[in-house]
Amino acid sequence: SAVISQKPSRDICQRGTSLTIQCQVDSQVTMMFWYRQQPGQSLTLIATANQGSEATYESGFVIDKFPISRPNLTFSTLTVSNMSPEDSSIYLCSLSSGGNEQFFGPGTRLTVL
Amino acid sequence: EDQVTQSPEALRLQEGESSSLNCSYTVSGLRGLFWYRQDPGKGPEFLFTLYSAGEEKEKERLKATLTKKESFLHITAPKPEDSATYLCAVQGSSNTGKLIFGQGTTLQVKP
Repeated sequence: SAVISQKPSRDICQRGTSLTIQCQVDSQVTMMFWYRQQPGQSLTLIATANQGSEATYESGFVIDKFPISRPNLTFSTLTVSNMSPEDSSIYLCSLSSGGNEQFFGPGTRLTVL
Repeated sequence: EDQVTQSPEALRLQEGESSSLNCSYTVSGLRGLFWYRQDPGKGPEFLFTLYSAGEEKEKERLKATLTKKESFLHITAPKPEDSATYLCAVQGSSNTGKLIFGQGTTLQVKP
């Protein structure tokens, strides 16, 4: 199965700043996704990262707040913009390699002060 | 609206004490039901996919079953290393790839 890495693994940021999270896969994959896991909560899909086109966002998430790039079939970034303490979460990328199941990266733990 | 509810929220077992975790779901056209294991500070680890009622999958001490309204994750003779949060998710036919997750069951197995 594909190896998924995320950078950074964790970060502490100040209110009002932005953080870009990278997701790298060691093989080409069709579909990549970004999820958020707030403290004590389960995972919620932010958006589907589409290669060569704009991301598809879920209800409650907007491009201005969470811009996503997918320049090729092995890499994607998620930016958390103008952060507030409510953005403190674990951010996870996942991929689907052809079947319906998804495989997740190790996550990025973000704390906003 | 697609929805997943897991119970119990937390479960404490003695080593060797078998039990089951429940995942109840409502979904428009089930494309798949998924079980994941999540250890603290890590991303979810894929365990099983179930596609249709009556289907069963096994892996070591874990067995997942599926009916039209719920899924069970049976844990037989658990060991302390089985301690983790177990997540259930569904994918409906109206969504492209989107997984709807339950809140999870946190399992603690004491030696």
